[in-house]
Amino acid sequence: DSGVTQTPKHLITATGQRVTLRCSPRSGDLSVYWYQQSLDQGLQFLIQYYNGEERAKGNILERFSAQQFPDLHSELNLSSLELGDSALYFCASSVRQGGLGHQETQYFGPGTRLLVL
Amino acid sequence: AQTVTQSQPEMSVQEAETVTLSCTYDTSENNYYLFWYKQPPSRQMILVIRQEAYKQQNATENRFSVNFQKAAKSFSLKISDSQLGDTAMYFCVYDNFGNEKLTFGTGTRLTIIP
Repeated sequence: DSGVTQTPKHLITATGQRVTLRCSPRSGDLSVYWYQQSLDQGLQFLIQYYNGEERAKGNILERFSAQQFPDLHSELNLSSLELGDSALYFCASSVRQGGLGHQETQYFGPGTRLLVL
Repeated sequence: AQTVTQSQPEMSVQEAETVTLSCTYDTSENNYYLFWYKQPPSRQMILVIRQEAYKQQNATENRFSVNFQKAAKSFSLKISDSQLGDTAMYFCVYDNFGNEKLTFGTGTRLTIIP
């Protein structure tokens, strides 16, 4: 158990709908990262938050957004869903921001499996 | 942009044998980190081992060890005395120094045969 929790574990929805995925980082971790694992594109970094602020952006679609709350949990919002959004969405957390000469290992949650029908 | 290449999509080995998974990467950076993560059938992403590029000594974690060749940009994982629980997809992962976006390889599916 990595200490990172994600809810829900599974989500089935229809095209055009909106869903919210939730992540609680390990105790003491300030950074949260979101990744998408799909069959055709592998594992891709979406976005990072550090202590409530966006720090880095990857291949995140404009239909997707995220935020990190004062209690450090994070939510990933996916809207106008398409069939191709079906994937496993991982959240990971680490202690620090990085860029300070020290890298913290990212620990992954169990993922949320999203199926868009 | 950094890229990570795993040229072995699938491998299988008998239980108790040793297996080596290959990984090469491309970067112009001098400081970075490399990881091996495993993803068993449960789909959980689990850290196996970590290597800092500035360290010449190869990392080891019990039955898992790496062969890090910085000049060749090669980072292989050796699993000794393989066990059934080692069956998983293994990802080679690159992390740029100070930039915590992880870049994943395409993975090697490893099956341990009883």
